[in-house]
Amino acid sequence: QVQLVQSGAEVKKPGASVKLSCKTSGYSFINYYMYWVRQAPGQGLEWMGVIDPRGGSTSFAQKFQGRVTMTRDTSTRTVYMELSSLRSEDTAVYYCARGVYDSSGYYLDIFDMWGLGTLVTVSS
Amino acid sequence: EIVLTQSPGTLSLSPGERATLSCRASQSVSSSYLAWYQQKPGQAPRLLIYGPSSRASGIPDRFSGSGSGTDFTLTISRLEPEDFAVYYCQQYGSSQLTFGGGTRVEIK
Repeated sequence: QVQLVQSGAEVKKPGASVKLSCKTSGYSFINYYMYWVRQAPGQGLEWMGVIDPRGGSTSFAQKFQGRVTMTRDTSTRTVYMELSSLRSEDTAVYYCARGVYDSSGYYLDIFDMWGLGTLVTVSS
Repeated sequence: EIVLTQSPGTLSLSPGERATLSCRASQSVSSSYLAWYQQKPGQAPRLLIYGPSSRASGIPDRFSGSGSGTDFTLTISRLEPEDFAVYYCQQYGSSQLTFGGGTRVEIK
């Protein structure tokens, strides 16, 4: 079965960076884009960006441009998201999520499989 | 960026009642690329509806989606106890994906 296993909780100081991982199994890794979505405590969902595991190309939400990096390791079927210059507002649960093919085989930027999330706490 | 506004913020209903949730976009959503998710406390969101009326795999038919352009609706025909949760809409018609702020459906 499809699994997205995320790394454990992190506590960081303001100004630091954090690198999260999302290890996948149960499907063809290179055929599905992987997205990162975050959720601050008690708040809504916020899309951060996407990586194409096949070639490594990325696209980011404008809000995170210059501060986020997404990479992948095809040998371990793992994607990574690094966020730099952390501030208290970055305290959130960070999810990786997989995209969807519709019944016609068309790829959609919606998310049918999610990791359990990684809590990142930014505090001095 | 397309801003999605969900209303109401909270919906208080009893089991068996009908729930109607609204999602309004700041500009037309291309190809009606609008999806709905359900999220329960401590869990990741679950995809319910996309496109804007196709149910995701395993989603019961009491959930339905409709709409086009800037106005979309999620309807739950008869609320079951497990349906009390927060619901989010998401547009995927532009390269900058965005979510609405959510509607909480609570037990009255």
